[in-house]
Amino acid sequence: DQQVKQNSPSLSVQEGRISILNCDYTNSMFDYFLWYKKYPAEGPTFLISISSIKDKNEDGRFTVFLNKSAKHLSLHIVPSQPGDSAVYFCAASAHQGAQKLVFGQGTRLTINP
Amino acid sequence: DAGVTQSPTHLIKTRGQQVTLRCSPKSGHDTVSWYQQALGQGPQFIFQYYEEEERQRGNFPDRFSGHQFPNYSSELNVNALLLGDSALYLCASSLASDEAFFGQGTRLTVV
Repeated sequence: DQQVKQNSPSLSVQEGRISILNCDYTNSMFDYFLWYKKYPAEGPTFLISISSIKDKNEDGRFTVFLNKSAKHLSLHIVPSQPGDSAVYFCAASAHQGAQKLVFGQGTRLTINP
Repeated sequence: DAGVTQSPTHLIKTRGQQVTLRCSPKSGHDTVSWYQQALGQGPQFIFQYYEEEERQRGNFPDRFSGHQFPNYSSELNVNALLLGDSALYLCASSLASDEAFFGQGTRLTVV
């Protein structure tokens, strides 16, 4: 039972354009959502998060949008840079600080020069 | 400030053997969690340790066990290894409501 789904295994975007990564979840008990970025041979690195009481959170070039009624969130990266090429994981938890994170399968983002 | 460190980085074991993986949390962190990441999948939660006790557990068999030491470091033990246990094992640490920091992982191959 996949409670967090990232339906696009890969995404290719031109440098300077917007990258949009999507994530859907099924468990209504999820209250906190995170995005992690992973380079090869490294562990996942925390990128940005959002609580269910908000619908948007912004940090520099990264913005996460949450649509609770649709159980959908998305990560926008603008402008995209070559260093953004990595695997991006969406994760959900019951509350902020909960270490039991439920991850999606990941989306491999490639930024083309 | 050292982040989360895991050892070893790579390991090859034979079916039926036992393995122990180690994790040192980020300085100041008191909670450690372990995840299994199979090829092409996202990490899956195995269990979490806090104050030397297992606080939460994911859907993994009893062959997977762990320990947390007084200095907050942790071990993951897997008994009776199966081919399907081949994966990247990730350790994450945190303090209170902070986000989890992950180590680089241990790549376990069971042959």
